[in-house]
Amino acid sequence: DGGITQSPKYLFRKEGQNVTLSCEQNLNHDAMYWYRQDPGQGLRLIYYSQIVNDFQKGDIAEGYSVSREKKESFPLTVTSAQKNPTAFYLCASSPRRPAGQETQYFGPGTRLLVL
Amino acid sequence: AQTVTQSQPEMSVQEAETVTLSCTYDTSESDYYLFWYKQPPSRQMILVIRQEAYKQQNATENRFSVNFQKAAKSFSLKISDSQLGDAAMYFCAYRRYTGGNKLVFGAGTILRVKS
Repeated sequence: DGGITQSPKYLFRKEGQNVTLSCEQNLNHDAMYWYRQDPGQGLRLIYYSQIVNDFQKGDIAEGYSVSREKKESFPLTVTSAQKNPTAFYLCASSPRRPAGQETQYFGPGTRLLVL
Repeated sequence: AQTVTQSQPEMSVQEAETVTLSCTYDTSESDYYLFWYKQPPSRQMILVIRQEAYKQQNATENRFSVNFQKAAKSFSLKISDSQLGDAAMYFCAYRRYTGGNKLVFGAGTILRVKS
């Protein structure tokens, strides 16, 4: 059945290490997003992609990178330049058409912890 | 820039009673979407209800309804006949009608349901 999967559920990062969070969807959605959630705060947009091979920075893109080589996949890399990566990361996707149907649906999330 | 404010960090309701969660937002645009998402302890974000700003009629989904006051920029969520499964963090979110799919989230309201 259709949905969004994220892996791993928990991820541990050592100092200076890059780590990659996986996000896959089989909903045939064009647009995909990455959000970060910190305690006591709402979600903040890191990156988004509206079409394959294209992506834009969100509000807090520094220290992160993404790629969109396939429609169903939008991996997020947390680089060593991200000094405070401990957070809950949520991936979402949405259709682009028809207008008014661009509601975002979320995956189950990945908890990233720094060792 | 658009902002979303949820002024109630935490609310409690007795099972079978009704509770209203508040949300205000700031925007200079006339067309946009508003959403309520639920995040239970599993941390999966679940869409509860959606409102298009150009529609005067308030959205309703079973026990969930909204009171959308466009002039006041207010978007409250009413949960009727509260159930134990309604206990969660609730987020209000705003999205522009055109020009990108970025969601702007409030900080969230924790809803506790007492049996």
